[in-house]
Amino acid sequence: AQSVAQPEDQVNVAEGNPLTVKCTYSVSGNPYLFWYVQYPNRGLQFLLKYITGDNLVKGSYGFEAEFNKSQTSFHLKKPSALVSDSALYFCAVRDPAGGFKTIFGAGTRLFVKA
Amino acid sequence: KAGVTQTPRYLIKTRGQQVTLSCSPISGHRSVSWYQQTPGQGLQFLFEYFSETQRNKGNFPGRFSGRQFSNSRSEMNVSTLELGDSALYLCASSVQSTGLGTYEQYFGPGTRLTVT
Repeated sequence: AQSVAQPEDQVNVAEGNPLTVKCTYSVSGNPYLFWYVQYPNRGLQFLLKYITGDNLVKGSYGFEAEFNKSQTSFHLKKPSALVSDSALYFCAVRDPAGGFKTIFGAGTRLFVKA
Repeated sequence: KAGVTQTPRYLIKTRGQQVTLSCSPISGHRSVSWYQQTPGQGLQFLFEYFSETQRNKGNFPGRFSGRQFSNSRSEMNVSTLELGDSALYLCASSVQSTGLGTYEQYFGPGTRLTVT
């Protein structure tokens, strides 16, 4: 069965520092992987998606994610955090071999301190 | 262009009733997905439609159903409401450009359903 884990409930980082939000997954086939962000009062937004190809995927707002097949990870990264990046981040996986159902992680709350 | 719209934005229903939520996707988007968000269960996928066909469905009971119309607008229906159905229901429309290899997905503001 497919699953996705976000091992950190919360990540704290200082503004200007690099940030990483972790995600690991388990699927039976080749995964489709997603990152979403939910800002307070601004709803859920799609950040980026990996299907195949380059392991480094670039997304919105300067975010990128690195697909690592051997570690079954898809960590979200940003070189320099902004206070405005403070939000709830969700990783999601879709397994083509599992009927294309989307499974979400529990979410990681990112706090960026000025 | 206009974003994804969902109606109604707020809804209060009583246990046992049924409810229909509506979603209008971004113009040109033929794929619509529905999600449920609750504090306890987090984000859960309900179903996805493409060109009026349900492509896949999450692990929800048969009380949850949906459909998509020829203009890509979508509705979801929940029958025999239970207290646990209280949630934010999100709709998203998406488009995949095979040639450009791009993918875009946009979410609506959601419908907040409260079941009493």
